[in-house]
Amino acid sequence: DQQVKQNSPSLSVQEGRISILNCDYTNSMFDYFLWYKKYPAEGPTFLISISSIKDKNEDGRFTVFLNKSAKHLSLHIVPSQPGDSAVYFCAASPANAGGTSYGKLTFGQGTILTVHP
Amino acid sequence: ETGVTQTPRHLVMGMTNKKSLKCEQHLGHNAMYWYKQSAKKPLELMFVYNFKEQTENNSVPSRFSPECPNSSHLFLHLHTLQPEDSALYLCASSQDLGAYWNEQFFGPGTRLTVL
Repeated sequence: DQQVKQNSPSLSVQEGRISILNCDYTNSMFDYFLWYKKYPAEGPTFLISISSIKDKNEDGRFTVFLNKSAKHLSLHIVPSQPGDSAVYFCAASPANAGGTSYGKLTFGQGTILTVHP
Repeated sequence: ETGVTQTPRHLVMGMTNKKSLKCEQHLGHNAMYWYKQSAKKPLELMFVYNFKEQTENNSVPSRFSPECPNSSHLFLHLHTLQPEDSALYLCASSQDLGAYWNEQFFGPGTRLTVL
């Protein structure tokens, strides 16, 4: 049973346009959500995160939106650049009653983003 | 350079072999993790260590045996593996598990093939 799902295996976008990557989750205990980016032959690198008390977090060209009622989050990249071409993973984590992290990340399958010049 | 290194980067082993994967972090972190990524599947958390103590074993078969001798090093000892264990094994570290959230930094992974 996959608790974090990225239903689009791939996305192709023209340079300068918006890239929208989507992620759905099923576990209502998830409290913190992250996006990681992975280039070939490298490990994933942290991109942006959002806590469940927010519905939007912005960092430069990257914005993450969280819709808790729909258990859905999305990553917007504006404007998209060829260097953004990578695999993007959505991940989620529960927090324990003390407000600290178990360190347990549950990942989606990833979406391959290709940005064409 | 993420500050987390893994060796070897590629490993081919038979089902009767014993081998070990090594992870080292140079970030001064106290929590370390092993993840597995099989083909066309999400990354799966295997083990979590915090200050050298194992805090999570995600129902991993005993043919995978982790070892954390200090906060900078993490090993994954492998014995009598199956072909379905072929995957990318990723190590990660974070400051510790004490805060609400600490970013996890990943190594480049070891690509394991079991024949």
